[in-house]
Amino acid sequence: NAGVMQNPRHLVRRRGQEARLRCSPMKGHSHVYWYRQLPEEGLKFMVYLQKENIIDESGMPKERFSAEFPKEGPSILRIQQVVRGDSAAYFCASSPHPGQAGFSGYTFGSGTRLTVV
Amino acid sequence: AQSVSQHNHHVILSEAASLELGCNYSYGGTVNLFWYVQYPGQHLQLLLKYFSGDPLVKGIKGFEAEFIKSKFSFNLRKPSVQWSDTAEYFCAVIDTGTASKLTFGTGTRLQVTL
Repeated sequence: NAGVMQNPRHLVRRRGQEARLRCSPMKGHSHVYWYRQLPEEGLKFMVYLQKENIIDESGMPKERFSAEFPKEGPSILRIQQVVRGDSAAYFCASSPHPGQAGFSGYTFGSGTRLTVV
Repeated sequence: AQSVSQHNHHVILSEAASLELGCNYSYGGTVNLFWYVQYPGQHLQLLLKYFSGDPLVKGIKGFEAEFIKSKFSFNLRKPSVQWSDTAEYFCAVIDTGTASKLTFGTGTRLQVTL
């Protein structure tokens, strides 16, 4: 029973390159959340998606960042033209619908540690 | 908008000391409350959660938390910490009315010395 799978675990990119982070939710979970953890800081919400829909992207930077959760396949967080300040751990979480009976919280993946050199 | 405050940023305790980490939230509606732990270099793991019922919640590894609605608090406690409890602890809240995102506090780094 696989949990939330994130890959890659570590990603190194040069400034200006693109970073693509993948997240496969737990089986049966239809909601995906992306969080960013900067060194010495807590987790900051970025985006909340359902299949083919962005529900809340209030935490996403206005430029260079995008996210999708297609009908088939994992959720993708894409960062274009990366800069050193993008270096962080990016965590994905999944859940069933938060408002439905049986909701018991989120399950987190192991994260992708992005280093921009 | 809801927010979560963790006032202790860094706590150092000796083994066997008692622990209490503060957590306050700002939302007045119905909330679900969580404590997560992150061991060095690892992902977040759920320690315990409160949805409804008994406000004293028991979690894994001997941790417990008490929901005090009048104080908007959900403090984490452990009677006797171990060196292996060295980690970062995050309080989080979700607004059940909007069923939206989980909001985290900034975390408390716990260091347990031998």
